[in-house]
Amino acid sequence: GAGVSQSPSNKVTEKGKDVELRCDPISGHTALYWYRQSLGQGLEFLIYFQGNSAPDKSGLPSDRFSAERTGGSVSTLTIQRTQQEDSAVYLCASSFIVGGGQETQYFGPGTRLLVL
Amino acid sequence: AQSVTQLDSQVPVFEEAPVELRCNYSSSVSVYLFWYVQYPNQGLQLLLKYLSGSTLVKGINGFEAEFNKSQTSFHLRKPSVHISDTAEYFCAVKYGGSQGNLIFGKGTKLSVKP
Repeated sequence: GAGVSQSPSNKVTEKGKDVELRCDPISGHTALYWYRQSLGQGLEFLIYFQGNSAPDKSGLPSDRFSAERTGGSVSTLTIQRTQQEDSAVYLCASSFIVGGGQETQYFGPGTRLLVL
Repeated sequence: AQSVTQLDSQVPVFEEAPVELRCNYSSSVSVYLFWYVQYPNQGLQLLLKYLSGSTLVKGINGFEAEFNKSQTSFHLRKPSVHISDTAEYFCAVKYGGSQGNLIFGKGTKLSVKP
């Protein structure tokens, strides 16, 4: 079946502009995660959605970052007033919760963001 | 703070040689452990995972890993690598049996040379 998809695959923007990144999770997956992959920083957790629960926003680096998940499916990560240090690959993952934390996260191909 | 350490940022190796990629995590009562592989310009693909049971876990593409609780390690091994194994490998941990995010190491770039 279809995996996690993300759009756009690449995004170039100017410093100060807002950007929106989209994630379509695997159908039926109730959990959705956003990570950021920067050079030298590895993968950093940003935000986690699970069903109708309040999202875990503990990884968002500043209030310029926000995310929403509509209808328990598609998610949009928004970065306002982009800065050059926001340049990174933004990865989305989804999982089907099996309980006890044993779920496997399936990753999309990522959106490569470059802020000039 | 909970953390994952991948001791080698880069590992060069010749084709058909064995390889071990090291991963250590900060101690916890309960952990689930994962190895992901990332090929150039692609997302992460699950190689293998340890949830419970046998400490030797076998994954895709001939890789295996061993969970060592006393040494808080989960090293990835392959007895004979191929050029196509050239990629970046990430170790990840889920602590405490809870739902939520994975904590990743910074990755190891495996470069297989002919």
